Amino acid sequence: EAGVAQSPRYKIIEKRQSVAFWCNPISGHATLYWYQQILGQGPKLLIQFQNNGVVDDSQLPKDRFSAERLKGVDSTLKIQPAKLEDSAVYLCASSLVGGSSVGYTFGSGTRLTVV
Amino acid sequence: GQSLEQPSEVTAVEGAIVQINCTYQTSGFYGLSWYQQHDGGAPTFLSYNGLDGLEETGRFSSFLSRSDSYGYLLLQELQMKDSASYFCAASSGNTGKLIFGQGTTLQVKP
Repeated sequence: EAGVAQSPRYKIIEKRQSVAFWCNPISGHATLYWYQQILGQGPKLLIQFQNNGVVDDSQLPKDRFSAERLKGVDSTLKIQPAKLEDSAVYLCASSLVGGSSVGYTFGSGTRLTVV
Repeated sequence: GQSLEQPSEVTAVEGAIVQINCTYQTSGFYGLSWYQQHDGGAPTFLSYNGLDGLEETGRFSSFLSRSDSYGYLLLQELQMKDSASYFCAASSGNTGKLIFGQGTTLQVKP
């Protein structure tokens, strides 16, 4: 089966600019996650969707980050305006059912550099 | 707060056995997962322990003790390709949310 697709692979922007990342989960996977991974650290959950509804966005900096999952399939994560500390890899993951952390599938991520 | 502790670096030689420990402090703990991540790559799922005891998958085994808030990943017959970062991750609540440790960089030497 095809994996989790993310684009772009790399992005360099100046601070205060905006940026958007796209994710296409594995077909049929109802649950989609966005994680932020800062260099040298483990991934941190930003937002979790179940179909097109938000399950958990408690760690999403809502003053600058937004995410949507229209039609319960693809998802977009946006940062506006970006700060230097947003430099990180943004990972999208999907799973067949919510409530199970067995067998998450991660995409290769988007590496964001804010200068 | 919620946190997981694991060693930052481990070095071993090809063919050897290595154990990566993980202690956790999380609310609503459901289970412990292990992920492998090569430089520039995606984290890939290795193993999950929902119950106490040992789970074996090929050269990899994982162990959980809920009473000690402790788990480990055991890698046997190390190969050069096992050089990577390894993360333990705790399931928090029943939503599938994962809380990751800082990762352990494993270097396998010839």
